[in-house]
Amino acid sequence: QVQLQEPGPGLVKPSETLSLTCAVSAASISTYYWSWVRQSPGKGLEWIGYMFYSGITKYNPSLRSRAIISVDTSRNEFSLRLRSVTAADTAVYYCAKHSRLNFEGNTYEEAFDIWGQGTKVTVTS
Amino acid sequence: DIVMTQSPLSLPVTPGEPASISCRSSESLLHRNGYNYLNWYLQKPGQSPQLLIYLRSNRASGVPDRFSGSGSGTYFTLQISRVEAEDVGVYYCMQGLQTPYTFGQGTKLEI
Repeated sequence: QVQLQEPGPGLVKPSETLSLTCAVSAASISTYYWSWVRQSPGKGLEWIGYMFYSGITKYNPSLRSRAIISVDTSRNEFSLRLRSVTAADTAVYYCAKHSRLNFEGNTYEEAFDIWGQGTKVTVTS
Repeated sequence: DIVMTQSPLSLPVTPGEPASISCRSSESLLHRNGYNYLNWYLQKPGQSPQLLIYLRSNRASGVPDRFSGSGSGTYFTLQISRVEAEDVGVYYCMQGLQTPYTFGQGTKLEI
């Protein structure tokens, strides 16, 4: 059974860089797309971005180019770095696996079928 | 960005009774392949979201058949034929047609 493991809760100071890693077990990170999603009381669920092991990445423009998602295939994990954080970045951060569902000659990868347990990040001085 | 709007935001239900949640998108979610790129998730209290429905009406693995999805274009519905106590939580719709992927604001189902 595929599992995603994230670190425990963390504190980050304003203007610094938030760093999170998601360890993947029971699936090769080279097979699927992987995303980061965050959840805050004020903005609900917000997709941050996705990556494929080959280097393909896509980000939410709302983050104004502050996010970078990278992969370490040797460790079967992927990471999020979010720079210049403010209080508005306080949220629970989830890593998520994209689906790979075949139907009538197509492949549907635009659903998140496995989620990590989430890690709470608080931006505070 | 495609805006997703759910209603109602709160849904009190009685076990054994049906329930229905609506989701509207600001643009059509109909892909050129003929499928609607609309997913439903349930976030149970204290848990991460879990995938319920993908491509408008397909149940994810292990999802009971009392859950069903319908609709097309910009209007979608999640229906629970007979609500059970374990169905409590917040339900979200999400569009996967274009990035940035966007979610509805959530509907809290309470018993």
